[in-house]
Amino acid sequence: KAGVTQTPRYLIKTRGQQVTLSCSPISGHRSVSWYQQTPGQGLQFLFEYFSETQRNKGNFPGRFSGRQFSNSRSEMNVSTLELGDSALYLCASTRDNQETQYFGPGTRLLVL
Amino acid sequence: GQQLNQSPQSMFIQEGEDVSMNCTSSSIFNTWLWYKQEPGEGPVLLIALYKAGELTSNGRLTAQFGITRKDSFLNISASIPSDVGIYFCAGPNYGGSQGNLIFGKGTKLSVKP
Repeated sequence: KAGVTQTPRYLIKTRGQQVTLSCSPISGHRSVSWYQQTPGQGLQFLFEYFSETQRNKGNFPGRFSGRQFSNSRSEMNVSTLELGDSALYLCASTRDNQETQYFGPGTRLLVL
Repeated sequence: GQQLNQSPQSMFIQEGEDVSMNCTSSSIFNTWLWYKQEPGEGPVLLIALYKAGELTSNGRLTAQFGITRKDSFLNISASIPSDVGIYFCAGPNYGGSQGNLIFGKGTKLSVKP
């Protein structure tokens, strides 16, 4: 069974731009969670989607948003990029109502 | 809120040595997850623990779910160079929400051949 895939793997943007990252979960997994990983803050929860609905959201500004499609694929969007948004963005998928999450390889975003 | 405290922060060991790291919390967890992350990659699940007192092995790795449900440890026996990476413990954020894991800050393991 294929694992979680994320595209693109690397991205360079400039301040003020916006970016869209994509995540395809493991087949049969309907829950997708997104995390931001930085050296200073570690892994922090952004939001979680299930059946095309955002169920939960972490403490990030409204510039961070996401969505999920009927095939469970998910995208996250960051608008008006700031230097501090440079990070590794990870998505993880899980089976319904389970707590064990499986991560993708991440998208490394650099904001200049 | 819930926090996970991992120790040690880093370890420098000789190939062949055994490694032990742990994770503690002031809150109770009903699930403990251990992940390994290598540079430029996402965390890979090593072991999942679902029951207090549970001891689970995965090859040279052994993890235990503490009886108090407030701690867990991970042991690696006979370390090899490919064990290098950052090891994270994680647990569900019950105070928050479904799909939200809390992570420790990680233990960075370096293995000298």
